[in-house]
Amino acid sequence: AQKVTQAQTEISVVEKEDVTLDCVYETRDTTYYLFWYKQPPSGELVFLIRRNSFDEQNEISGRYSWNFQKSTSSFNFTITASQVVDSAVYFCALTLNTNAGKSTFGDGTTLTVKP
Amino acid sequence: DTAVSQTPKYLVTQMGNDKSIKCEQNLGHDTMYWYKQDSKKFLKIMFSYNNKELIINETVPNRFSPKSPDKAHLNLHINSLELGDSAVYFCASSPLTGANVLTFGAGSRLTVL
Repeated sequence: AQKVTQAQTEISVVEKEDVTLDCVYETRDTTYYLFWYKQPPSGELVFLIRRNSFDEQNEISGRYSWNFQKSTSSFNFTITASQVVDSAVYFCALTLNTNAGKSTFGDGTTLTVKP
Repeated sequence: DTAVSQTPKYLVTQMGNDKSIKCEQNLGHDTMYWYKQDSKKFLKIMFSYNNKELIINETVPNRFSPKSPDKAHLNLHINSLELGDSAVYFCASSPLTGANVLTFGAGSRLTVL
């Protein structure tokens, strides 16, 4: 069975600080997909990124960057120069290609960015 | 136009009652899901339908019964509500099964008194 661990339950930073959210996953499958979703205080869940297991290239999108390392089974998310609007719960998720789209979510990391 | 819409957004009811939550997507997606988010924000899949067929049924009490009249709709009916059913229920859809991105509805907050 697959598992996703987000060890950081809550993180608090001051605006403009950089912050990294950790995600460690477990699976025996060789083909899988990793995701990050954001849930702001308004409650909706918003997709941020998807990565497949064969693509270890890091990705940068504006202030957001993702570091995927198969050797450590990690898919970490860094926000550079954080802003108050980044305050949200962030979820890491794992989906296997074989299990009909069932996504296993981590428990989430609540990020608070203070002005 | 809302891509995945759920109604109602809020639902407050007494223990023992039966209630339904409706979900509709206008994205043309083949697969729809119900997820439950508890008070600690943990997200767990409950059901998944692909083209009106049930493909994922997690360990959910029989009191929960999903129904998909067509591939654009997935409703959730809950019988004999219990206090522990209080949660936010999210509907989601994706183009196919497999590793597709989930598009979520805004959630339906169910409070059982």
